Amino acid sequence: DQQVKQNSPSLSVQEGRISILNCDYTNSMFDYFLWYKKYPAEGPTFLISISSIKDKNEDGRFTVFLNKSAKHLSLHIVPSQPGDSAVYFCAASATDSWGKLQFGAGTQVVVTP
Amino acid sequence: SQTIHQWPATLVQPVGSPLSLECTVEGTSNPNLYWYRQAAGRGLQLLFYSVGIGQISSEVPQNLSASRPQDRQFILSSKKLLLSDSGFYLCAWSRGIGSYNSPLHFGNGTRLTVT
Repeated sequence: DQQVKQNSPSLSVQEGRISILNCDYTNSMFDYFLWYKKYPAEGPTFLISISSIKDKNEDGRFTVFLNKSAKHLSLHIVPSQPGDSAVYFCAASATDSWGKLQFGAGTQVVVTP
Repeated sequence: SQTIHQWPATLVQPVGSPLSLECTVEGTSNPNLYWYRQAAGRGLQLLFYSVGIGQISSEVPQNLSASRPQDRQFILSSKKLLLSDSGFYLCAWSRGIGSYNSPLHFGNGTRLTVT
């Protein structure tokens, strides 16, 4: 059972514009959410996280929004740069889960000049 | 600073052969350790996690096993590989017990091809 879902397998965006990646979850026990970026043949790199007590967290060009009632989170990248082309994974965990993360299937982002 | 080392980077093994992938973490003590697998075109699936030496929990039934002989060493093994064991294997660590809401940090992975 997929508890974290990324329904868009790919996203193409023009350099300088905003990239918006979406993620939905089903487990109401999740209280910590993360976004990772992954290049081919490399491990995922942690980007940004948010706990369930917040609805927004910002770090430079990256902002994560959390809508608990809708069980939905999104990642905004502004402005998008060519180096942002990668696969982005949404992940979630619950406090009592020993840090185990459940991952979505990923969204391939391509930033075009 | 903390670093995680995982090797080998790539591995081609015949069906029925044994497997041993190793992962070590530096710069931290008592980490939680994890093995994930990414099958082609799919997300990351948690295989094993460990909260201490000798303490291993398996998330999915499979042909693999894990061991943690030292605090910062995590090993993924198989006695006889199957074709379905092919994939990209990732080791990760996070801060241990008492550290909530701590991100996982991944190694660079091992691409395993079983032929």
